[in-house]
Amino acid sequence: LAKTTQPISMDSYEGQEVNITCSHNNIATNDYITWYQQFPSQGPRFIIQGYKTKVTNEVASLFIPADRKSSTLSLPRVSLSDTAVYYCLVGPGGDDKIIFGKGTRLHILP
Amino acid sequence: GAVVSQHPSRVICKSGTSVKIECRSLDFQATTMFWYRQFPKKSLMLMATSNEGSKATYEQGVEKDKFLINHASLTLSTLTVTSAHPEDSSFYICSAKPGQGFAGGYTFGSGTRLTVV
Repeated sequence: LAKTTQPISMDSYEGQEVNITCSHNNIATNDYITWYQQFPSQGPRFIIQGYKTKVTNEVASLFIPADRKSSTLSLPRVSLSDTAVYYCLVGPGGDDKIIFGKGTRLHILP
Repeated sequence: GAVVSQHPSRVICKSGTSVKIECRSLDFQATTMFWYRQFPKKSLMLMATSNEGSKATYEQGVEKDKFLINHASLTLSTLTVTSAHPEDSSFYICSAKPGQGFAGGYTFGSGTRLTVV
């Protein structure tokens, strides 16, 4: 399983765009990149998944460069309710187990 | 979307007793489920992989006799914490991977807060 590195914490303000970058230098050819969000005392929630280039959904965008050694989760116009821990995971999918890294604790300020 | 229901959401038990936590996939079948525990301000730690109809696979350092896992059907996995002690107090979370027809990655339960007194 590819190891991931993210910033431990980030602060931003309401209305700003927030970009969280994840490094995964040893990503394998068949690995996907998935981001989860976790609020206190809740299970993680799927945000977005991608393999290469750019993926966008109603919540976020995911940018993946050509070498796929990193990825950036972009949250547009954040609000206080986006304060959470964000996890970047890399793996082949299927029913394989997923191992969580430390995640990024995002704190949105008014 | 795919839903995993976890019950109870919180439980308090006396030291030495056993506690059972249920994890159900409500709208899909899950041959594989995963159990995690999480301490305050820490990341999720994978405890075991629950396999329908067969024995669970435990991660290194997790006591299989203490954390009993049963996956008797395609929609239900249970985790029983046996002879619980205060150090077993934690947040336990299960997850499963929906199959085709569901977009996205793994689906997680809402977690169970276990407090052993």
